[in-house]
Amino acid sequence: DTGVSQDPRHKITKRGQNVTFRCDPISEHNRLYWYRQTLGQGPEFLTYFQNEAQLEKSRLLSDRFSAERPKGSFSTLEIQRTEQGDSAMYLCASSLRGEGIYEQYFGPGTRLTVT
Amino acid sequence: AQSVTQPDIHITVSEGASLELRCNYSYGATPYLFWYVQSPGQGLQLLLKYFSGDTLVQGIKGFEAEFKRSQSSFNLRKPSVHWSDAAEYFCAVVGFGNEKLTFGTGTRLTIIP
Repeated sequence: DTGVSQDPRHKITKRGQNVTFRCDPISEHNRLYWYRQTLGQGPEFLTYFQNEAQLEKSRLLSDRFSAERPKGSFSTLEIQRTEQGDSAMYLCASSLRGEGIYEQYFGPGTRLTVT
Repeated sequence: AQSVTQPDIHITVSEGASLELRCNYSYGATPYLFWYVQSPGQGLQLLLKYFSGDTLVQGIKGFEAEFKRSQSSFNLRKPSVHWSDAAEYFCAVVGFGNEKLTFGTGTRLTIIP
């Protein structure tokens, strides 16, 4: 069990550019979550997948954000036309439905800085 | 809607002293409660969880938490802190049938020698 991994760990981009983050969940986990954490705050839910189906999206997830999990394994989170307000830590988590079903395991996060 | 309040933004304790971090939640039914710890620049590590049953739960690294329904609280405790416990601690809640964790704003713990 290698845990949840995220790539890249850090991303600096200029306003208006597009960025894409990747998350690899724990191998047998069928649920995958994205959260955003700004400085001094707790993580806030963005979206989650059951296998490849995106089942819920937060109102925080504007039209510039899109997430996919095409084969039910890894997931990508894309932000188009980045804004300075998008600067945050983006956290991915995974869980296994049916065993500790609410126990989510987090990756190390991707820190995004928009200049 | 579910919510979590962590009233203490920053706590400083001496190494070897006891620790209690406060967490109050708001949820209409029986909640599932968690404590996570986050070291600087890192993701969150699950310390312990409460689903049902015994209201005193044990976690990793010598931490424990007690669920008190009457006070809507789930406080985290440790009898003797170590310098390595310095980190940010987050309480979180999720309700049955819900998938999203709702976190508090966190308590930053500083340990002094």
